[in-house]
Amino acid sequence: EVQLVESGGGLAQPGRSLRLSCAASGFTFDDFAMHWVRQAPGKGLEWVAGIGWKSGSTVYADSVKGRFTISRDNAKNSLSLEMNGLRPEDTALYYCAKVCTPRSNWPDAFDSWGQGTLVIVSS
Amino acid sequence: EIVLTQSPATLSLSPGERATLSCRASQSVSSYLAWYQQKPGQAPRLLISDASNRATGIPARFSGSGSGTDFTLTISGLEPEDFAVYYCQQSGNWPTFGQGTKVDIK
Repeated sequence: EVQLVESGGGLAQPGRSLRLSCAASGFTFDDFAMHWVRQAPGKGLEWVAGIGWKSGSTVYADSVKGRFTISRDNAKNSLSLEMNGLRPEDTALYYCAKVCTPRSNWPDAFDSWGQGTLVIVSS
Repeated sequence: EIVLTQSPATLSLSPGERATLSCRASQSVSSYLAWYQQKPGQAPRLLISDASNRATGIPARFSGSGSGTDFTLTISGLEPEDFAVYYCQQSGNWPTFGQGTKVDIK
């Protein structure tokens, strides 16, 4: 069974940093591209960033480009999101998600999601 | 950025009725369109990928159609567990989501 477990969320002041992690199990992690998607309280889904299965390719939403960095450690079956220069509008539940197709980056849908980790940016 | 516009924002129906949800893209996304269901307090669940392919374990009452810029998710006979929010997503190089359609009980 695929499991994705996010951690690292919490309260941060504007301008500060947080690092989110996603522990993956139940599938061959290094065969799949991975993504981060966020959802502000009471709002819709917003894609944040993606990383290819070979780790070399990364893509970002304009709203986080230059501030957030996605990375993966295939030896530890782990996905990360380093968030710098946090803003109040970054407040959201952050999900990690796995794509459907092995050894393929994009385009692809997301067939497994974690339960999310909450980030609150406030002074 | 490709903008996805979903309509209607809210769909009020009774169990057993047919639900038709629309998603329109600001430019062609070919068939790279997915649909997700989200219930309160839960993560999204993939229903349909590549416009019309049902994901594993998804009941046959869910179907997707369309290509290019106009897509439809049809639920043929609403079950009580189908009342939820539905999002479309273009699954291209820089994915984007629609704003969602809430299907609630009439």
